[in-house]
Amino acid sequence: IAGITQAPTSQILAAGRRMTLRCTQDMRHNAMYWYRQDLGLGLRLIHYSNTAGTTGKGEVPDGYSVSRANTDDFPLTLASAVPSQTSVYFCASSDNSEGPLHFGNGTRLTVT
Amino acid sequence: GQNIDQPTEMTATEGAIVQINCTYQTSGFNGLFWYQQHAGEAPTFLSYNVLDGLEEKGRFSSFLSRSKGYSYLLLKELQMKDSASYLCAGLDSNYQLIWGAGTKLIIKP
Repeated sequence: IAGITQAPTSQILAAGRRMTLRCTQDMRHNAMYWYRQDLGLGLRLIHYSNTAGTTGKGEVPDGYSVSRANTDDFPLTLASAVPSQTSVYFCASSDNSEGPLHFGNGTRLTVT
Repeated sequence: GQNIDQPTEMTATEGAIVQINCTYQTSGFNGLFWYQQHAGEAPTFLSYNVLDGLEEKGRFSSFLSRSKGYSYLLLKELQMKDSASYLCAGLDSNYQLIWGAGTKLIIKP
């Protein structure tokens, strides 16, 4: 089934640890995005990639890094996790900048 | 600054009609999206408006007024499964999405 796969589904992480959230899509979409969603706030863009080989910073990029080595994969890395990074993380993709987003099922991350 | 405003929560009765409003202020405008998000799940695309007027898709319709910076999502013949959060998002001149915090819709029998 075509779509976006995120892993892990949930994770509890000690502060200071490094963590990579995985995201893979099989729709051959050019653009990919990482959002975090916190209660009472709208989705906030962390990083994005308009095409393989390029990345850009979103609204809340500090403490996060991404890479886009190929079309399908867009991992998000937390170099040294802090409790404020406790959130639900969604990966999304779109065929172009005007197209609707297709979301993965999310990763619920708790940093203790 | 850029901003999307929508009510935090609304309650409606099964079988009725509900209108969820959204006002937006964006730097330039390239369209407005509505997404549905059930609790614990990912958002899913509902509608996209870039021109003024009403777009109808079955029980759901979305309206846009560019001059007023205003949109609404209209849900007819409400069903219990429509209980969800509805997210409004505006696409600015740089093709970046600006998201509202979402409207939680509670359907009562």
